[in-house]
Amino acid sequence: EAGVVQSPRYKIIEKKQPVAFWCNPISGHNTLYWYRQNLGQGPELLIRYENEEAVDDSQLPKDRFSAERLKGVDSTLKIQPAELGDSAVYLCASSLMPLGGNTIYFGEGSWLTVV
Amino acid sequence: GQQVMQIPQYQHVQEGEDFTTYCNSSTTLSNIQWYKQRPGGHPVFLIQLVKSGEVKKQKRLTFQFGEAKKNSSLHITATQTTDVGTYFCAGMRKGGGNKLTFGTGTQLKVEL
Repeated sequence: EAGVVQSPRYKIIEKKQPVAFWCNPISGHNTLYWYRQNLGQGPELLIRYENEEAVDDSQLPKDRFSAERLKGVDSTLKIQPAELGDSAVYLCASSLMPLGGNTIYFGEGSWLTVV
Repeated sequence: GQQVMQIPQYQHVQEGEDFTTYCNSSTTLSNIQWYKQRPGGHPVFLIQLVKSGEVKKQKRLTFQFGEAKKNSSLHITATQTTDVGTYFCAGMRKGGGNKLTFGTGTQLKVEL
């Protein structure tokens, strides 16, 4: 069974440029998460979807970040415009149901460097 | 908001020595999960604890959930070089709507 697939794996952009990350969760997983992980820190939740509905986006900086999961399967996270402080690993994860007893599976991450 | 702290931040051990990382939450948890992240890798789920005082073992790893469900620990017996990585706890706040908050992590290095 394929795991959570993310692309691109690495991206270097200049500040003020846009960037987008794509995620395909494990087949059948209706819950999808986007986390941001800064160097030496734990992952921080940006947004959580249950099917196509964003049920928790309280930590998403909405002035420059946006996300969508139109058909309740794959998802895109966009940053526009990017700032130097956005350099981090963006992790997508999925689980079978909302957490309460189910394992969350992470993708390999998209490493963003803003210069 | 909920905070989850881990100590120590770093730990260097000689192969064969034991290792323990401690996790403390500012709020009561409904459950706690532990993850391992290898250098350059992504977090991988290890285990989930749900009951107060629960203890679970996975080979050389022992996980414990505190009686008050606000703290947890991970103990590794006789570390091996394959144990290298960062260990994160992640807690779900009681009544927090399925939101998982990750701890600050403990980076383990094992030397021969």
